[in-house]
Amino acid sequence: DVKVTQSSRYLVKRTGEKVFLECVQDMDHENMFWYRQDPGLGLRLIYFSYDVKMKEKGDIPEGYSVSREKKERFSLILESASTNQTSMYLCASSGDRGPVEKLFFGSGTQLSVL
Amino acid sequence: DAKTTQPPSMDCAEGRAANLPCNHSTISGNEYVYWYRQIHSQGPQYIIHGLKNNETNEMASLIITEDRKSSTLILPHATLRDTAVYYCIVSDYNFNKFYFGSGTKLNVKP
Repeated sequence: DVKVTQSSRYLVKRTGEKVFLECVQDMDHENMFWYRQDPGLGLRLIYFSYDVKMKEKGDIPEGYSVSREKKERFSLILESASTNQTSMYLCASSGDRGPVEKLFFGSGTQLSVL
Repeated sequence: DAKTTQPPSMDCAEGRAANLPCNHSTISGNEYVYWYRQIHSQGPQYIIHGLKNNETNEMASLIITEDRKSSTLILPHATLRDTAVYYCIVSDYNFNKFYFGSGTKLNVKP
C-alpha cells in the first residue's frame, strides 16, 4: 500500500514563526499536493508539484511556499505564520499519468498558530 | 473543471444500501467522476471512479446517468464504519487538480 507520511499530527506555533510541514511518500510518485481543510470550506489546494524542483500554485498559495528537492519529499513552508493559517494541512501524492487520478493522502497535520 | 452539487448530509440505517447523489451538469466529455471519502481525523480515501459506464469494486458501485449530468455512489450494505464525508469530484487529467467541495456527511445509524 502507498504510504504518505506527514511529520507531525499536531503542531502549535507562534505568530511570525517560520513553519515547515514535511511530507514523505514511499511509492516513487511523480505528483505531490498540499491542501488545507477548514470547516465549511472543504479542501483547498495550496501548491502541487509534478516533479523534483517543479512547483505550481494552487488556489490559495498566498503566505505559503514549497520545496521539492527529492522526489519522495514535499515540504510546505509558512514564511511568517499568522493566525489565519490555523488549519488542518493534508499532503497527497499520485503516480498516475492520466487520465485517472488517484490521490493518496496522509493523515494530516493540525496546525494552530497562536 | 466542472463543479459538483451534493446534499450536505444524509442518514442511512446500518445494513441498508446508502445511495449518495451528485449533480455535475456542466461536466465535459473528457472529465471523469471520482468519489472519495473522509473518515473523521483522517485524510480522504479514494473509493471509485468512472467515465460513462457504471462501475463496481469491493467498496462501492458508481452509477452515472446516460447524459453524465449526475451520478450516484452506492454502498450496498452500510456499516457504522462507513460514517464519513463523501466527496464527488469531476476532473480533467490535464489539470492534475482536484476540487473538493464540502461533500455529503453520511451518518450510518444502528
